[in-house]
Amino acid sequence: SQELEQSPQSLIVQEGKNLTINCTSSKTLYGLYWYKQKYGEGLIFLMMLQKGGEEKSHEKITAKLDEKKQQSSLHITASQPSHAGIYLCGADRTGTASKLTFGTGTRLQVTL
Amino acid sequence: NAGVTQTPKFRILKIGQSMTLQCTQDMNHNYMYWYRQDPGMGLKLIYYSVGAGITDKGEVPNGYNVSRSTTEDFPLRLELAAPSQTSVYFCASKPPGTANEKLFFGSGTQLSVL
Repeated sequence: SQELEQSPQSLIVQEGKNLTINCTSSKTLYGLYWYKQKYGEGLIFLMMLQKGGEEKSHEKITAKLDEKKQQSSLHITASQPSHAGIYLCGADRTGTASKLTFGTGTRLQVTL
Repeated sequence: NAGVTQTPKFRILKIGQSMTLQCTQDMNHNYMYWYRQDPGMGLKLIYYSVGAGITDKGEVPNGYNVSRSTTEDFPLRLELAAPSQTSVYFCASKPPGTANEKLFFGSGTQLSVL
């Protein structure tokens, strides 16, 4: 089983709709990172969460960390075609971020 | 700054051939990483390095070797290519001395072993 489970695995939403992607860890989290991958390209950093209850926003993307549940959610408001791609969560298990464990990814398509 | 540069972008190998995937960064980052991404899967860590002369195994190191003779370069070597090594390979780096800095990724190398 995966240490980091993401749900859903794939998502198709109509432009303008809201959506949520979840990332659940089976082990202790010291930090949780969200990345976006455009098809055929490398990963782009979105945001990092460290403390339980922490919430960060960037443009129309908001991420929260529930430390007790060892879970993070990524919420996109009023989705746009530019939001399409693969979203990956990464976890720091060492407390030093010397290496990250990544989830299986969520593939997002935004239709017109 | 170019960031993290990987070469080649695409490569097809025959079973048993060897090759080196190149990775270089111009940001003076101490930490460097090699990940592989199989279709429909997340990233798995192959090897990482916390500085020149220091390397360590990740989750899936079998069939690979690395070296870190300089801060800038972190090549990944496949000695006897196998079909199971068909994947997209990503190199990444991280700034020195800070626990919470983000990883910077290269654009990837798509490798097929036939």
